[in-house]
Amino acid sequence: GAGVSQSPRYKVAKRGQDVALRCDPISGHVSLFWYQQALGQGPEFLTYFQNEAQLDKSGLPSDRFFAERPEGSVSTLKIQRTQQEDSAVYLCASSRGQGNEKLFFGSGTQLSVL
Amino acid sequence: RKEVEQDPGPFNVPEGATVAFNCTYSNSASQSFFWYRQDCRKEPKLLMSVYSSGNEDGRFTAQLNRASQYISLLIRDSKLSDSATYLCVVNGRSQGNLIFGKGTKLSVKP
Repeated sequence: GAGVSQSPRYKVAKRGQDVALRCDPISGHVSLFWYQQALGQGPEFLTYFQNEAQLDKSGLPSDRFFAERPEGSVSTLKIQRTQQEDSAVYLCASSRGQGNEKLFFGSGTQLSVL
Repeated sequence: RKEVEQDPGPFNVPEGATVAFNCTYSNSASQSFFWYRQDCRKEPKLLMSVYSSGNEDGRFTAQLNRASQYISLLIRDSKLSDSATYLCVVNGRSQGNLIFGKGTKLSVKP
């Protein structure tokens, strides 16, 4: 497809389960971003990749959160031992260049931790 | 002080009204500024970049005031379809560290 694709669209997890969220950026886009958006809030920055290099992971809330982009294309955000406060929409975005330009967002993965 | 702050609203205005939103940012070294629009239950989409000299795109005008560290968005002749949440975005401590405000909700009524 032409846009950023995220899967799954919805994920329900029991507290303590591990989850993996996938992002397929627009083909050829250098930069990839992950954001967390709680209900009624703006997107909160989690991490940023330029190709396969993770240049900024300052927004990851704890060491339970891990992101990778091993071949500089598809990215996976993994959350270990999920907690209720992890419930949110996880948005992935990509941009053509090195970061400070138009972001193209996917539709997000809505994670509910019960 | 939060890195990017916006009045959450909601701003309820009639069709045809002019409405303005402000956004303040804390990092004086920030170089990149944007306004995004987010419809309910949808992903954010770029509305416009904000340039130092100010810029206009149809009914939308964006301004940057570096001395006071705020950016503004002016919408003229509001349409029903302008109803959305408007997100201010500023780059943070690194090139790809793009920080979003919490958003300002606009509701345009007939």
